[in-house]
Amino acid sequence: SYELTQPLSVSVALGQTARITCGGNNIGNKNVHWYQQKPSQAPVVVIYRDSKRPSGIPERFSGSNSGNTATLTISRAQAGDEADYYCQVWDTSTAVFGGGTKLTVL
Amino acid sequence: QVQLVESGGGVVQPGRSLRLSCAASGFIFSNHAMHWVRQAPGKGLEWVAVISFDGSNKFYADSVKGRFTISRDDSKNTLSLQMDSLRPEDTALYYCARDNVELDYWGQGTLVTVSS
Repeated sequence: SYELTQPLSVSVALGQTARITCGGNNIGNKNVHWYQQKPSQAPVVVIYRDSKRPSGIPERFSGSNSGNTATLTISRAQAGDEADYYCQVWDTSTAVFGGGTKLTVL
Repeated sequence: QVQLVESGGGVVQPGRSLRLSCAASGFIFSNHAMHWVRQAPGKGLEWVAVISFDGSNKFYADSVKGRFTISRDDSKNTLSLQMDSLRPEDTALYYCARDNVELDYWGQGTLVTVSS
Protein backbone atom coordinates (compact mmCIF):
# COMPACT_ATOMS: atom_id res chain seq x y z
CA SER A 1 0.00 0.00 0.00
CA TYR A 2 1.07 3.56 -0.64
CA GLU A 3 2.73 5.40 2.23
CA LEU A 4 3.22 9.09 2.94
CA THR A 5 5.99 10.23 5.26
CA GLN A 6 5.86 13.50 7.17
CA PRO A 7 8.16 14.86 9.88
CA LEU A 8 6.60 14.58 13.32
CA SER A 9 7.26 18.21 14.09
CA VAL A 10 8.43 21.45 12.54
CA SER A 11 9.27 24.64 14.39
CA VAL A 12 9.33 28.13 12.92
CA ALA A 13 10.02 31.54 14.35
CA LEU A 14 7.20 34.02 14.27
CA GLY A 15 7.18 35.78 10.91
CA GLN A 16 9.50 33.29 9.25
CA THR A 17 8.81 30.60 6.66
CA ALA A 18 7.82 27.04 7.57
CA ARG A 19 8.12 24.15 5.18
CA ILE A 20 6.39 20.84 5.83
CA THR A 21 7.30 17.94 3.60
CA CYS A 22 5.36 14.90 2.53
CA GLY A 23 7.32 12.06 1.00
CA GLY A 24 5.97 9.30 -1.20
CA ASN A 25 7.07 7.17 -4.11
CA ASN A 26 6.67 9.34 -7.24
CA ILE A 27 4.26 11.56 -5.35
CA GLY A 28 4.87 14.14 -8.06
CA ASN A 29 2.55 12.07 -10.26
CA LYS A 30 -0.32 12.44 -7.79
CA ASN A 31 -2.49 15.30 -6.62
CA VAL A 32 -1.61 16.21 -3.05
CA HIS A 33 -3.99 17.87 -0.63
CA TRP A 34 -3.05 19.47 2.68
CA TYR A 35 -5.24 19.79 5.78
CA GLN A 36 -4.81 21.90 8.86
CA GLN A 37 -6.22 20.65 12.14
CA LYS A 38 -6.28 22.75 15.28
CA PRO A 39 -6.97 21.18 18.69
CA SER A 40 -10.54 19.91 19.09
CA GLN A 41 -11.45 21.03 15.59
CA ALA A 42 -12.18 19.20 12.37
CA PRO A 43 -9.55 19.31 9.62
CA VAL A 44 -9.69 22.12 7.09
CA VAL A 45 -8.19 21.91 3.61
CA VAL A 46 -5.55 24.60 3.10
CA ILE A 47 -4.07 23.43 -0.21
CA TYR A 48 -5.62 21.13 -2.80
CA ARG A 49 -4.33 19.63 -6.03
CA ASP A 50 -0.74 20.37 -5.08
CA SER A 51 -0.88 24.15 -5.07
CA LYS A 52 -4.43 25.49 -5.20
CA ARG A 53 -5.70 27.52 -2.30
CA PRO A 54 -9.36 27.42 -1.23
CA SER A 55 -11.16 30.70 -0.76
CA GLY A 56 -10.53 32.07 2.68
CA ILE A 57 -7.08 30.55 3.04
CA PRO A 58 -4.37 33.22 3.25
CA GLU A 59 -1.92 33.63 0.38
CA ARG A 60 0.80 32.82 2.91
CA PHE A 61 -0.07 29.15 2.35
CA SER A 62 1.36 27.58 -0.78
CA GLY A 63 2.18 24.12 -2.04
CA SER A 64 4.45 22.36 -4.47
CA ASN A 65 4.92 18.79 -5.60
CA SER A 66 7.68 17.15 -7.57
CA GLY A 67 9.53 13.88 -7.67
CA ASN A 68 9.17 12.10 -4.36
CA THR A 69 8.31 15.11 -2.20
CA ALA A 70 5.40 17.48 -1.80
CA THR A 71 5.86 20.59 0.29
CA LEU A 72 3.50 22.87 2.16
CA THR A 73 5.03 26.30 2.68
CA ILE A 74 3.71 28.78 5.20
CA SER A 75 5.20 32.24 4.81
CA ARG A 76 5.26 34.88 7.53
CA ALA A 77 4.14 32.31 10.07
CA GLN A 78 1.68 33.50 12.69
CA ALA A 79 0.77 32.12 16.10
CA GLY A 80 -2.59 31.10 14.66
CA ASP A 81 -0.85 28.75 12.22
CA GLU A 82 0.10 26.42 15.06
CA ALA A 83 -1.67 23.18 14.22
CA ASP A 84 -1.27 19.67 12.92
CA TYR A 85 -0.89 19.41 9.16
CA TYR A 86 -1.68 16.33 7.09
CA CYS A 87 -0.97 15.57 3.47
CA GLN A 88 -3.30 13.28 1.53
CA VAL A 89 -3.37 11.56 -1.84
CA TRP A 90 -5.52 9.04 -3.67
CA ASP A 91 -4.07 5.62 -4.43
CA THR A 92 -6.09 2.93 -6.20
CA SER A 93 -9.46 4.25 -5.04
CA THR A 94 -8.38 4.69 -1.44
CA ALA A 95 -7.38 7.85 0.34
CA VAL A 96 -4.03 7.89 2.10
CA PHE A 97 -3.04 10.36 4.80
CA GLY A 98 0.41 11.18 5.99
CA GLY A 99 1.10 10.73 9.67
CA GLY A 100 0.81 14.44 10.36
CA THR A 101 3.22 17.21 11.33
CA LYS A 102 2.86 19.39 14.38
CA LEU A 103 3.81 22.96 13.55
CA THR A 104 5.07 25.05 16.44
CA VAL A 105 5.44 28.81 16.03
CA LEU A 106 8.11 30.12 18.38
CA GLN B 1 -23.85 26.76 3.73
CA VAL B 2 -22.54 23.22 3.67
CA GLN B 3 -23.16 21.33 6.89
CA LEU B 4 -22.29 17.80 7.89
CA VAL B 5 -23.53 16.55 11.24
CA GLU B 6 -22.50 13.13 12.53
CA SER B 7 -24.40 11.15 15.12
CA GLY B 8 -24.67 7.66 16.54
CA GLY B 9 -21.42 7.40 18.47
CA GLY B 10 -21.19 5.97 21.94
CA VAL B 11 -19.65 3.31 24.14
CA VAL B 12 -19.95 -0.25 22.88
CA GLN B 13 -18.49 -3.57 23.93
CA PRO B 14 -16.00 -5.41 21.72
CA GLY B 15 -17.71 -7.58 19.16
CA ARG B 16 -20.88 -5.51 19.13
CA SER B 17 -22.24 -3.23 16.40
CA LEU B 18 -22.89 0.46 15.99
CA ARG B 19 -24.36 2.56 13.19
CA LEU B 20 -23.17 6.09 12.51
CA SER B 21 -25.07 8.66 10.50
CA CYS B 22 -24.09 11.90 8.84
CA ALA B 23 -26.79 14.41 7.94
CA ALA B 24 -25.81 16.62 5.02
CA SER B 25 -27.28 19.97 4.02
CA GLY B 26 -26.44 23.05 2.00
CA PHE B 27 -25.39 21.23 -1.17
CA ILE B 28 -26.64 18.69 -3.68
CA PHE B 29 -25.79 15.55 -1.75
CA SER B 30 -26.29 13.20 -4.69
CA ASN B 31 -23.58 14.98 -6.68
CA HIS B 32 -20.78 14.05 -4.32
CA ALA B 33 -18.88 11.01 -3.15
CA MET B 34 -18.68 10.89 0.63
CA HIS B 35 -16.10 9.61 3.07
CA TRP B 36 -15.65 8.45 6.63
CA VAL B 37 -12.35 9.34 8.27
CA ARG B 38 -11.44 8.52 11.85
CA GLN B 39 -8.97 9.75 14.40
CA ALA B 40 -7.98 7.72 17.44
CA PRO B 41 -7.31 9.74 20.59
CA GLY B 42 -4.04 11.62 20.20
CA LYS B 43 -3.36 10.07 16.80
CA GLY B 44 -3.47 11.11 13.17
CA LEU B 45 -6.17 10.90 10.56
CA GLU B 46 -7.07 7.49 9.17
CA TRP B 47 -9.26 7.14 6.12
CA VAL B 48 -12.02 4.57 6.60
CA ALA B 49 -14.30 4.34 3.58
CA VAL B 50 -15.72 6.12 0.55
CA ILE B 51 -18.96 5.76 -1.38
CA SER B 52 -19.37 7.15 -4.88
CA PHE B 53 -21.89 9.83 -5.69
CA ASP B 54 -24.40 7.27 -6.95
CA GLY B 55 -23.64 4.58 -4.40
CA SER B 56 -22.39 2.16 -7.02
CA ASN B 57 -18.83 2.01 -5.75
CA LYS B 58 -17.59 1.55 -2.22
CA PHE B 59 -14.03 1.22 -1.01
CA TYR B 60 -12.65 0.49 2.44
CA ALA B 61 -9.43 0.66 4.39
CA ASP B 62 -7.93 -2.78 4.98
CA SER B 63 -8.38 -2.26 8.72
CA VAL B 64 -12.18 -2.24 8.42
CA LYS B 65 -12.83 -4.28 5.29
CA GLY B 66 -15.42 -6.98 5.92
CA ARG B 67 -16.58 -5.38 9.18
CA PHE B 68 -17.77 -1.91 8.16
CA THR B 69 -20.32 -1.00 5.50
CA ILE B 70 -20.79 2.46 4.07
CA SER B 71 -24.10 3.45 2.55
CA ARG B 72 -26.09 6.51 1.54
CA ASP B 73 -29.72 7.57 1.29
CA ASP B 74 -29.99 10.42 -1.16
CA SER B 75 -33.68 10.89 -0.39
CA LYS B 76 -32.69 11.81 3.16
CA ASN B 77 -29.30 13.38 2.42
CA THR B 78 -27.77 10.93 4.83
CA LEU B 79 -24.52 9.00 4.88
CA SER B 80 -24.19 5.96 7.12
CA LEU B 81 -21.52 3.67 8.46
CA GLN B 82 -22.54 0.28 9.81
CA MET B 83 -19.78 -0.98 12.08
CA ASP B 84 -19.85 -4.64 13.07
CA SER B 85 -17.47 -6.79 15.09
CA LEU B 86 -16.04 -3.73 16.73
CA ARG B 87 -12.59 -3.86 18.27
CA PRO B 88 -10.90 -1.68 20.88
CA GLU B 89 -8.67 -0.30 18.11
CA ASP B 90 -11.77 1.12 16.40
CA THR B 91 -12.05 3.63 19.22
CA ALA B 92 -11.87 7.03 17.54
CA LEU B 93 -13.62 10.21 16.56
CA TYR B 94 -15.39 9.47 13.28
CA TYR B 95 -15.75 12.26 10.74
CA CYS B 96 -17.80 12.33 7.58
CA ALA B 97 -16.41 14.44 4.77
CA ARG B 98 -17.51 15.59 1.35
CA ASP B 99 -15.43 14.61 -1.64
CA ASN B 100 -14.47 17.22 -4.19
CA VAL B 101 -11.28 15.36 -5.10
CA GLU B 102 -10.01 16.87 -1.89
CA LEU B 103 -12.15 16.49 1.23
CA ASP B 104 -13.48 20.00 1.23
CA TYR B 105 -16.01 19.89 4.04
CA TRP B 106 -15.91 17.90 7.28
CA GLY B 107 -18.33 17.39 10.11
CA GLN B 108 -17.35 17.82 13.74
CA GLY B 109 -17.23 14.08 14.35
CA THR B 110 -18.91 11.53 16.60
CA LEU B 111 -16.94 9.61 19.20
CA VAL B 112 -16.94 5.82 19.25
CA THR B 113 -15.46 4.03 22.24
CA VAL B 114 -15.07 0.27 22.14
CA SER B 115 -14.49 -1.04 25.62
CA SER B 116 -15.70 -3.75 27.92
